[in-house]
Amino acid sequence: LAKTTQPISMDSYEGQEVNITCSHNNIATNDYITWYQQFPSQGPRFIIQGYKTKVTNEVASLFIPADRKSSTLSLPRVSLSDTAVYYCLVTDNFNKFYFGSGTKLNVKP
Amino acid sequence: DAGITQSPRHKVTETGTPVTLRCHQTENHRYMYWYRQDPGHGLRLIHYSYGVKDTDKGEVSDGYSVSRSKTEDFLLTLESATSSQTSVYFCAISESGTNRYEQYFGPGTRLTVT
Repeated sequence: LAKTTQPISMDSYEGQEVNITCSHNNIATNDYITWYQQFPSQGPRFIIQGYKTKVTNEVASLFIPADRKSSTLSLPRVSLSDTAVYYCLVTDNFNKFYFGSGTKLNVKP
Repeated sequence: DAGITQSPRHKVTETGTPVTLRCHQTENHRYMYWYRQDPGHGLRLIHYSYGVKDTDKGEVSDGYSVSRSKTEDFLLTLESATSSQTSVYFCAISESGTNRYEQYFGPGTRLTVT
Protein backbone atom coordinates (compact mmCIF):
# COMPACT_ATOMS: atom_id res chain seq x y z
CA LEU A 1 0.00 0.00 0.00
CA ALA A 2 1.34 3.39 -0.97
CA LYS A 3 2.53 5.51 1.92
CA THR A 4 1.95 9.22 2.04
CA THR A 5 4.14 12.19 2.93
CA GLN A 6 2.70 15.50 4.12
CA PRO A 7 4.15 18.60 5.75
CA ILE A 8 4.07 18.32 9.51
CA SER A 9 2.50 21.74 10.02
CA MET A 10 1.27 24.84 8.21
CA ASP A 11 0.22 28.30 9.30
CA SER A 12 -2.37 30.48 7.64
CA TYR A 13 -4.55 33.50 8.32
CA GLU A 14 -8.28 33.80 8.30
CA GLY A 15 -9.73 34.39 4.86
CA GLN A 16 -6.79 32.89 2.98
CA GLU A 17 -6.87 29.88 0.70
CA VAL A 18 -4.84 26.98 2.05
CA ASN A 19 -3.31 24.26 -0.07
CA ILE A 20 -1.95 21.12 1.56
CA THR A 21 0.03 18.82 -0.71
CA CYS A 22 0.49 15.13 -0.15
CA SER A 23 3.05 12.94 -1.88
CA HIS A 24 2.22 9.31 -2.72
CA ASN A 25 4.85 8.18 -5.19
CA ASN A 26 3.95 4.48 -5.08
CA ILE A 27 0.24 4.86 -5.67
CA ALA A 28 -1.27 1.90 -7.51
CA THR A 29 -3.77 1.89 -10.34
CA ASN A 30 -6.74 0.97 -8.14
CA ASP A 31 -5.90 3.29 -5.24
CA TYR A 32 -8.17 6.16 -4.23
CA ILE A 33 -7.06 9.33 -2.45
CA THR A 34 -9.01 10.49 0.57
CA TRP A 35 -8.63 13.39 2.99
CA TYR A 36 -9.83 13.59 6.57
CA GLN A 37 -9.94 16.36 9.18
CA GLN A 38 -9.50 15.77 12.88
CA PHE A 39 -10.12 18.11 15.81
CA PRO A 40 -8.64 17.41 19.25
CA SER A 41 -10.46 14.71 21.22
CA GLN A 42 -12.62 13.76 18.24
CA GLY A 43 -12.53 11.08 15.57
CA PRO A 44 -11.52 12.09 12.04
CA ARG A 45 -14.14 13.47 9.69
CA PHE A 46 -14.23 12.71 5.97
CA ILE A 47 -13.57 15.74 3.74
CA ILE A 48 -13.19 14.57 0.16
CA GLN A 49 -12.05 11.71 -2.03
CA GLY A 50 -10.85 11.42 -5.60
CA TYR A 51 -9.18 9.22 -8.18
CA LYS A 52 -7.91 11.68 -10.77
CA THR A 53 -8.20 15.31 -11.99
CA LYS A 54 -10.28 17.60 -9.80
CA VAL A 55 -13.04 16.98 -7.30
CA THR A 56 -14.96 19.72 -5.51
CA ASN A 57 -17.55 19.63 -2.78
CA GLU A 58 -19.05 22.21 -0.44
CA VAL A 59 -16.01 22.42 1.81
CA ALA A 60 -12.91 21.68 -0.28
CA SER A 61 -11.35 20.86 -3.61
CA LEU A 62 -8.96 18.05 -4.40
CA PHE A 63 -6.48 18.34 -7.25
CA ILE A 64 -4.79 15.22 -8.59
CA PRO A 65 -2.30 15.47 -11.47
CA ALA A 66 -2.23 12.97 -14.29
CA ASP A 67 0.57 10.87 -12.79
CA ARG A 68 -1.35 10.70 -9.46
CA LYS A 69 1.89 10.77 -7.46
CA SER A 70 0.66 13.69 -5.42
CA SER A 71 -2.56 15.41 -4.48
CA THR A 72 -3.47 18.83 -3.13
CA LEU A 73 -6.29 19.62 -0.76
CA SER A 74 -7.51 23.19 -1.20
CA LEU A 75 -9.49 24.91 1.54
CA PRO A 76 -10.99 28.21 0.39
CA ARG A 77 -11.10 31.16 2.79
CA VAL A 78 -10.18 29.36 5.99
CA SER A 79 -11.50 30.42 9.36
CA LEU A 80 -10.27 29.82 12.90
CA SER A 81 -12.52 26.76 13.07
CA ASP A 82 -10.47 25.10 10.33
CA THR A 83 -7.56 24.72 12.73
CA ALA A 84 -7.14 20.95 12.82
CA VAL A 85 -5.01 18.06 11.64
CA TYR A 86 -5.53 17.02 8.04
CA TYR A 87 -4.74 13.49 6.88
CA CYS A 88 -4.11 12.29 3.36
CA LEU A 89 -4.80 8.61 2.74
CA VAL A 90 -4.26 6.32 -0.20
CA THR A 91 -6.55 3.35 0.00
CA ASP A 92 -6.66 0.18 -2.06
CA ASN A 93 -9.41 -2.32 -2.71
CA PHE A 94 -8.57 -4.22 0.46
CA ASN A 95 -10.03 -1.64 2.81
CA LYS A 96 -6.86 -0.97 4.74
CA PHE A 97 -6.53 2.68 5.60
CA TYR A 98 -3.19 4.19 6.64
CA PHE A 99 -3.51 7.64 8.14
CA GLY A 100 0.10 8.72 8.55
CA SER A 101 0.98 11.63 10.83
CA GLY A 102 -1.06 14.32 9.09
CA THR A 103 -0.59 18.07 8.67
CA LYS A 104 -1.41 20.32 11.58
CA LEU A 105 -3.01 23.48 10.17
CA ASN A 106 -2.98 26.52 12.42
CA VAL A 107 -5.25 29.35 11.31
CA LYS A 108 -4.45 32.71 12.87
CA PRO A 109 -6.75 35.72 13.19
CA ASP B 1 -23.94 12.40 12.45
CA ALA B 2 -23.70 8.69 11.76
CA GLY B 3 -25.10 6.50 14.52
CA ILE B 4 -21.98 5.10 16.10
CA THR B 5 -21.46 4.60 19.79
CA GLN B 6 -18.51 3.23 21.68
CA SER B 7 -18.48 1.79 25.16
CA PRO B 8 -17.00 2.38 27.56
CA ARG B 9 -15.83 5.92 26.82
CA HIS B 10 -13.14 5.76 29.48
CA LYS B 11 -11.52 2.78 31.17
CA VAL B 12 -8.62 2.21 33.51
CA THR B 13 -7.41 -1.35 33.85
CA GLU B 14 -4.44 -3.24 35.19
CA THR B 15 -1.71 -4.95 33.24
CA GLY B 16 -2.57 -8.54 32.41
CA THR B 17 -6.33 -8.21 32.53
CA PRO B 18 -8.54 -8.80 29.48
CA VAL B 19 -10.47 -5.82 28.18
CA THR B 20 -13.31 -5.64 25.66
CA LEU B 21 -14.36 -2.50 23.87
CA ARG B 22 -17.65 -2.32 22.04
CA CYS B 23 -18.64 -0.47 18.90
CA HIS B 24 -22.30 -0.26 18.00
CA GLN B 25 -23.79 1.18 14.80
CA THR B 26 -27.33 1.90 13.72
CA GLU B 27 -26.49 2.59 10.05
CA ASN B 28 -26.38 -1.01 8.79
CA HIS B 29 -23.02 -0.31 7.15
CA ARG B 30 -21.05 -3.29 5.93
CA TYR B 31 -17.56 -2.31 7.04
CA MET B 32 -16.39 -1.68 10.59
CA TYR B 33 -12.90 -0.74 11.77
CA TRP B 34 -10.90 -0.42 14.95
CA TYR B 35 -8.05 2.09 15.17
CA ARG B 36 -5.77 3.28 17.91
CA GLN B 37 -4.32 6.75 18.19
CA ASP B 38 -1.34 7.64 20.33
CA PRO B 39 -0.23 11.18 21.21
CA GLY B 40 1.25 12.99 18.25
CA HIS B 41 0.44 10.19 15.85
CA GLY B 42 -2.15 9.47 13.26
CA LEU B 43 -4.56 6.58 13.49
CA ARG B 44 -3.32 3.03 13.04
CA LEU B 45 -5.64 0.29 11.89
CA ILE B 46 -5.92 -2.66 14.28
CA HIS B 47 -8.56 -4.88 12.68
CA TYR B 48 -11.48 -4.43 10.38
CA SER B 49 -14.59 -6.36 9.40
CA TYR B 50 -16.19 -6.66 5.97
CA GLY B 51 -19.26 -8.54 7.17
CA VAL B 52 -20.65 -10.67 9.95
CA LYS B 53 -17.96 -13.10 11.08
CA ASP B 54 -15.58 -11.73 8.40
CA THR B 55 -12.57 -9.92 9.80
CA ASP B 56 -8.99 -9.16 8.80
CA LYS B 57 -5.86 -7.80 10.41
CA GLY B 58 -4.62 -4.28 10.12
CA GLU B 59 -1.30 -2.62 10.71
CA VAL B 60 -1.03 -3.24 14.48
CA SER B 61 -3.06 -6.36 15.26
CA ASP B 62 -0.71 -8.15 17.71
CA GLY B 63 -2.30 -8.45 21.16
CA TYR B 64 -5.79 -7.72 19.85
CA SER B 65 -8.67 -9.85 18.67
CA VAL B 66 -12.06 -8.90 17.26
CA SER B 67 -15.45 -10.42 16.75
CA ARG B 68 -18.53 -9.47 14.79
CA SER B 69 -21.53 -11.70 15.40
CA LYS B 70 -24.07 -9.08 14.33
CA THR B 71 -23.99 -6.36 11.69
CA GLU B 72 -24.32 -3.65 14.29
CA ASP B 73 -21.67 -4.73 16.81
CA PHE B 74 -17.89 -4.98 16.50
CA LEU B 75 -15.94 -5.98 19.59
CA LEU B 76 -12.26 -5.36 20.22
CA THR B 77 -10.57 -7.50 22.87
CA LEU B 78 -7.20 -6.92 24.44
CA GLU B 79 -6.38 -10.44 25.50
CA SER B 80 -3.92 -9.43 28.23
CA ALA B 81 -3.61 -5.67 28.48
CA THR B 82 -0.14 -4.10 28.54
CA SER B 83 0.94 -0.53 29.23
CA SER B 84 1.83 -0.13 25.55
CA GLN B 85 -1.86 -0.52 24.76
CA THR B 86 -2.70 2.67 26.62
CA SER B 87 -4.27 4.70 23.85
CA VAL B 88 -7.42 6.23 22.43
CA TYR B 89 -9.39 3.70 20.42
CA PHE B 90 -11.68 4.75 17.60
CA CYS B 91 -14.27 2.70 15.83
CA ALA B 92 -15.34 3.57 12.30
CA ILE B 93 -17.90 2.36 9.79
CA SER B 94 -18.32 2.65 6.04
CA GLU B 95 -20.62 1.48 3.30
CA SER B 96 -19.84 -0.75 0.33
CA GLY B 97 -18.53 0.21 -3.09
CA THR B 98 -16.63 3.45 -3.59
CA ASN B 99 -18.45 4.84 -0.55
CA ARG B 100 -16.33 2.60 1.63
CA TYR B 101 -13.58 5.23 1.49
CA GLU B 102 -15.83 7.58 3.47
CA GLN B 103 -15.55 6.43 7.04
CA TYR B 104 -17.63 7.68 9.93
CA PHE B 105 -15.94 7.63 13.30
CA GLY B 106 -17.22 7.08 16.79
CA PRO B 107 -16.38 9.33 19.76
CA GLY B 108 -13.45 7.20 20.91
CA THR B 109 -12.58 5.22 24.03
CA ARG B 110 -9.71 6.37 26.20
CA LEU B 111 -8.01 3.30 27.70
CA THR B 112 -5.35 3.49 30.37
CA VAL B 113 -3.44 0.36 31.37
CA THR B 114 -1.61 0.73 34.68
